[in-house]
Amino acid sequence: AQSVTQLGSHVSVSEGALVLLRCNYSSSVPPYLFWYVQYPNQGLQLLLKYTSAATLVKGINGFEAEFKKSETSFHLTKPSAHMSDAAEYFCAVSDSGNTPLVFGKGTRLSVIA
Amino acid sequence: SQTIHQWPATLVQPVGSPLSLECTVEGTSNPNLYWYRQAAGRGLQLLFYSVGIGQISSEVPQNLSASRPQDRQFILSSKKLLLSDSGFYLCAWSPFGANYNSPLHFGNGTRLTVT
Repeated sequence: AQSVTQLGSHVSVSEGALVLLRCNYSSSVPPYLFWYVQYPNQGLQLLLKYTSAATLVKGINGFEAEFKKSETSFHLTKPSAHMSDAAEYFCAVSDSGNTPLVFGKGTRLSVIA
Repeated sequence: SQTIHQWPATLVQPVGSPLSLECTVEGTSNPNLYWYRQAAGRGLQLLFYSVGIGQISSEVPQNLSASRPQDRQFILSSKKLLLSDSGFYLCAWSPFGANYNSPLHFGNGTRLTVT
């Protein structure tokens, strides 16, 4: 069965600094990987997804993630943090699309002025 | 365009009382529908999903149940709430026939507090 580990429940960065949110997955077959963002008291919105095409995936709001099979990782990055990026971020995995998504526990991103 | 509605937005209920949360989707037919629960520090837990009217799959045995009386309506219920049922409940949909590599579209959630 697939699983997701997000390292760090809370990450704090300065405005303009690099954002790095870590996600490692476990899957017995080639996975489908997703990053979602959740603003306070709202549902989740899709940031980006990986489905076995290019290993570097570009998403909305300047975010991107790189699939590294050797490291079983799918870390989310953004070169320069904005105050509006403050939110909770979830990584999710599905085994070849045949099982429902499994979400990580989330990482809360704070951006300091 | 497709939209998803959840209500109520917030709910405070006493232990032992019943629960009914409703979710409807507009602008699409035969969607796959999902109920997730988000508890502090525990991420999102899939509770139920449905690929059609009357077809419900349960992921976690508990005192909650789900029903799909109409194509675009998904209801989460309980006969007697427990304190542990407190959390943020999210409904989501994906297109008909989509497998699980299709993105989910989430509603704005219901925050349930059981007192």
